[in-house]
Amino acid sequence: DGGITQSPKYLFRKEGQNVTLSCEQNLNHDAMYWYRQDPGQGLRLIYYSQIVNDFQKGDIAEGYSVSREKKESFPLTVTSAQKNPTAFYLCASSGTYTDTQYFGPGTRLTVL
Amino acid sequence: KQEVTQIPAALSVPEGENLVLNCSFTDSAIYNLQWFRQDPGKGLTSLLLIQSSQREQTSGRLNASLDKSSGRSTLYIAASQPGDSATYLCAVRLGTNAGKSTFGDGTTLTVKP
Repeated sequence: DGGITQSPKYLFRKEGQNVTLSCEQNLNHDAMYWYRQDPGQGLRLIYYSQIVNDFQKGDIAEGYSVSREKKESFPLTVTSAQKNPTAFYLCASSGTYTDTQYFGPGTRLTVL
Repeated sequence: KQEVTQIPAALSVPEGENLVLNCSFTDSAIYNLQWFRQDPGKGLTSLLLIQSSQREQTSGRLNASLDKSSGRSTLYIAASQPGDSATYLCAVRLGTNAGKSTFGDGTTLTVKP
């Protein structure tokens, strides 16, 4: 089945820890995105990537980092510099920047 | 900066009713607009994508319209069903930077049997 997978589904982080969220797609899409969603709110863009080895900051990149070493993978690291990381994180991909976005099932991150 | 607003935040209707969800945006220089559905605790499911050159798109009981000059899009749902209960979000891509989408906060729809 073609699609986007995110792991883990739930993640717990202690204060001061870095954690990495996985996002993999087998849709052969060039563009990939990371969004953050807080309760009752829409999505805010963290990072986006148009091609391998290239990515740009979104609206709320501070405290996050990404890499794009392979076309199918776009992992997100939430660093200790992110002061309020508890949220629902969604990964998406599209054929190109202007195509329909398809989303993964999300990772819920909680800081203990 | 593009701002996207969805009003109302919540809507409750009886089964079978036709309804309209609204999405407003401040910058009319958009590339396209996409409507999504989100079930609680889940990812987003794409419903319709409207290019800036189009006026509307249809899929089954759903019809989305776009009026760039007034900065508005509507999602029309015909003959609503309890299974339509979900949060509906719109997302706008600007023509100047199509990689960045701006999302509204969504309208949570409840269809009562």
